[in-house]
Amino acid sequence: QVQLVQSGAEVKKPGASVKVSCKASGYSFTGYYMHWVRQAPGQGLEWMGWINPKSGDINCAQKFQDRVTMTRDTSISTAYMELRRLRSDDTAVYYCVRDYGGRAFDIWGQGTMVTVSS
Amino acid sequence: EIVLTQSPGTLSLSPGERATLSCRASQSVSSSYLTWYQQKPGQAPRLLIYGASSRATGIPDRFSGSGSGTDFTLTISRLEPEDFAVYYCQQYGSSLYTFGQGTKLEIK
Repeated sequence: QVQLVQSGAEVKKPGASVKVSCKASGYSFTGYYMHWVRQAPGQGLEWMGWINPKSGDINCAQKFQDRVTMTRDTSISTAYMELRRLRSDDTAVYYCVRDYGGRAFDIWGQGTMVTVSS
Repeated sequence: EIVLTQSPGTLSLSPGERATLSCRASQSVSSSYLTWYQQKPGQAPRLLIYGASSRATGIPDRFSGSGSGTDFTLTISRLEPEDFAVYYCQQYGSSLYTFGQGTKLEIK
């Protein structure tokens, strides 16, 4: 079936970087944009950006443009999101999500908890 | 950036009742790009409604969406126990996606 499986939880110190992976299966990886969305504990959803797995083109929310890198490896149908210079307020669950026709997010990964703490 | 404001923040209802959730945008949103999600504790969100009124695959017909411009509504015609959750609206415009802050639907 169609699914996105993300890497496991991470604990990082302030100033460090984290790289989250998202492996797609059950569909053509290069046929759908992939988004990244995060959710701080007890808070709402925040869109971070997307990557076009076919071309590698990305579009990030301005808030993250200088700290986030989105990449992909088409040979293993996996997308990656790296966030640098971590701060305590980056503590959140990070989701990869498949794009649905540019209008919605239809398949969500299980989420990766990233904790930033000294 | 378009800001989405959801109301009420919390809605307390009983199973069998009708739920009406509101999503208001700070400027006009294309109906094609207004989406609703449901999120239960400890789970990823689930796509409910896209294009303001189209149900996603497998979504029961008690869920319906409506609206245009700046005012959108998610209606659950008759609440089932599994419908108590947090609901988010989302829009896409000017190459940005934004979410509302969510409405918590709780059992009265």
